[in-house]
Amino acid sequence: DGGITQSPKYLFRKEGQNVTLSCEQNLNHDAMYWYRQDPGQGLRLIYYSQIVNDFQKGDIAEGYSVSREKKESFPLTVTSAQKNPTAFYLCASSTQGVGTEAFFGQGTRLTVV
Amino acid sequence: AQSVTQPDIHITVSEGASLELRCNYSYGATPYLFWYVQSPGQGLQLLLKYFSGDTLVQGIKGFEAEFKRSQSSFNLRKPSVHWSDAAEYFCAVRTLGGGGNKLTFGTGTQLKVEL
Repeated sequence: DGGITQSPKYLFRKEGQNVTLSCEQNLNHDAMYWYRQDPGQGLRLIYYSQIVNDFQKGDIAEGYSVSREKKESFPLTVTSAQKNPTAFYLCASSTQGVGTEAFFGQGTRLTVV
Repeated sequence: AQSVTQPDIHITVSEGASLELRCNYSYGATPYLFWYVQSPGQGLQLLLKYFSGDTLVQGIKGFEAEFKRSQSSFNLRKPSVHWSDAAEYFCAVRTLGGGGNKLTFGTGTQLKVEL
């Protein structure tokens, strides 16, 4: 079945450690996105990529990094510079058209202790 | 800058009652609008979308939404709510920028259904 796979579903890390969240899609979509979700704040865009080897900062990119070496994969690294990394992270993908919807993964809940 | 406002953080309705969730957007050009639903701890599922044509759009699970340009609104409606509709609902607008197009979300409305 086609879709977006995020792994792991739950992730625990110690403060000061970098951690990488995985996102893989087999929908043949060009565009991929990372969102952060906190209660009462909706989804905030971290990074997005329209094509392989290219990506742009979203609204809250500080403390995060991404890479897009393959069309299918868009991993997100939460660095130690992110001051409040505990959150629910959602990955999405879409085709390039503006009228097309984004398809979402099931999310990764990151807890930093 | 583009933005989406969902004025109601929480809404409680009785099962069988009608539902309307509000969404207002701010965007200079023709907006491409979406409604998504999220169950706890899950990803988002698309309910419906609007980008041209008929201003009343039908979606899945019996939902519909009406685009009103004069009011910059895209409210979601359902004539009769079921207990399984309890979830969080997000309105979103797709916009074009220097780095390509992206999807901007509102803060969400949490729907509770009373039996």
